[in-house]
Amino acid sequence: AQSVAQPEDQVNVAEGNPLTVKCTYSVSGNPYLFWYVQYPNRGLQFLLKYITGDNLVKGSYGFEAEFNKSQTSFHLKKPSALVSDSALYFCAVRDTDNAGNMLTFGGGTRLMVKP
Amino acid sequence: DAGVIQSPRHEVTEMGQEVTLRCKPISGHDYLFWYRQTMMRGLELLIYFNNNVPIDDSGMPEDRFSAKMPNASFSTLKIQPSEPRDSAVYFCASRSGQDYEAFFGQGTRLTVV
Repeated sequence: AQSVAQPEDQVNVAEGNPLTVKCTYSVSGNPYLFWYVQYPNRGLQFLLKYITGDNLVKGSYGFEAEFNKSQTSFHLKKPSALVSDSALYFCAVRDTDNAGNMLTFGGGTRLMVKP
Repeated sequence: DAGVIQSPRHEVTEMGQEVTLRCKPISGHDYLFWYRQTMMRGLELLIYFNNNVPIDDSGMPEDRFSAKMPNASFSTLKIQPSEPRDSAVYFCASRSGQDYEAFFGQGTRLTVV
């Protein structure tokens, strides 16, 4: 079985400060990992993914994430937050051993960036 | 490409009525997924298709829910009869066999009164 945990319901950060949104996962094989962002009344937009290779992956809008196999984590980061980054962020995992090709999502973390 | 297109964007219906949600995946995508989003349960996978064939429907909550994909460019999710607890946002997503990430539609917000 595959699962994802996002331990923080909400993260508050001041504009210009670095931000981190946490994600840990559980899979039986190796993971494919993803971050999505959801703005109000919108669908989920793909931000970035880790498939293999370099543990630090870069994505859209200046976001990056670091894959840490020993800690089974895939935290989302950005060096300098913008007010426009305020949204709901979802981490997702797919087990490479999962022939079902299904994505399992975490519960989401609301990011609030204050001016 | 216009992305994944869902219709309607909003649906309000009375309990007991039939509801049909529609999805047009991105052209060329082999996989289609239906998700439901609620405050209590988050994002749940209901069913997914590969090459128009349902592969896993274990997430479909009850027999009142059914999904079809008659061709590569169209899928429906039907609820009959609808109940207030079905109120949620329903998302459709698609992915090609060569890609890893799925792309989501804007969702249909369903309210059953």
